[in-house]
Amino acid sequence: GAVVSQHPSWVICKSGTSVKIECRSLDFQATTMFWYRQFPKQSLMLMATSNEGSKATYEQGVEKDKFLINHASLTLSTLTVTSAHPEDSSFYICSARPRVRTYNEQFFGPGTRLTVL
Amino acid sequence: DQQVKQNSPSLSVQEGRISILNCDYTNSMFDYFLWYKKYPAEGPTFLISISSIKDKNEDGRFTVFLNKSAKHLSLHIVPSQPGDSAVYFCAASADHYGQNFVFGPGTRLSVLP
Repeated sequence: GAVVSQHPSWVICKSGTSVKIECRSLDFQATTMFWYRQFPKQSLMLMATSNEGSKATYEQGVEKDKFLINHASLTLSTLTVTSAHPEDSSFYICSARPRVRTYNEQFFGPGTRLTVL
Repeated sequence: DQQVKQNSPSLSVQEGRISILNCDYTNSMFDYFLWYKKYPAEGPTFLISISSIKDKNEDGRFTVFLNKSAKHLSLHIVPSQPGDSAVYFCAASADHYGQNFVFGPGTRLSVLP
């Protein structure tokens, strides 16, 4: 099946620093990638949708200057949390939709646990 | 206001019995529904989906039922196995070719040996 990887799987950083999270589709090309955030015991909240080669579309309430998304190729999207603060600590999950598909499916990465001290 | 609800935060079932996970939605524009399974510290894994033109979809031990008039869907797992213990998310989309899925809060299933 389709595999999506995320790197790093976990990261601890100091407040005020920036953190980059990579999302890669390993065995398929993804025209669209999604970034989600999950708070403890809560559901996945869509943060933004990125299409290869164009600007990301952010959900209401998500600061685009704080959560920078780049989708430079059909297999890679990055999320950069700029000037991270403790309230940004969360589990960030990406997903990718294959370019060739018959269903409206998304394949999820394993997630990245961000802890901001 | 939650558009997708999973009112049972947790469910315990004996191994070999049936697990029934429920999901309700409020947006009548939703026409495509999916179930995802998630283990701790991992991303969700697609399980099964159903389009609004159907009322049932079956894949092995997993069956999803859709009742459009009640805006309700359920996931049946028969027989339940300990490896099924995970959090199950229901997700809905208003556009079959669209971008956005709305996820429910999840139900933690524990299958007891």
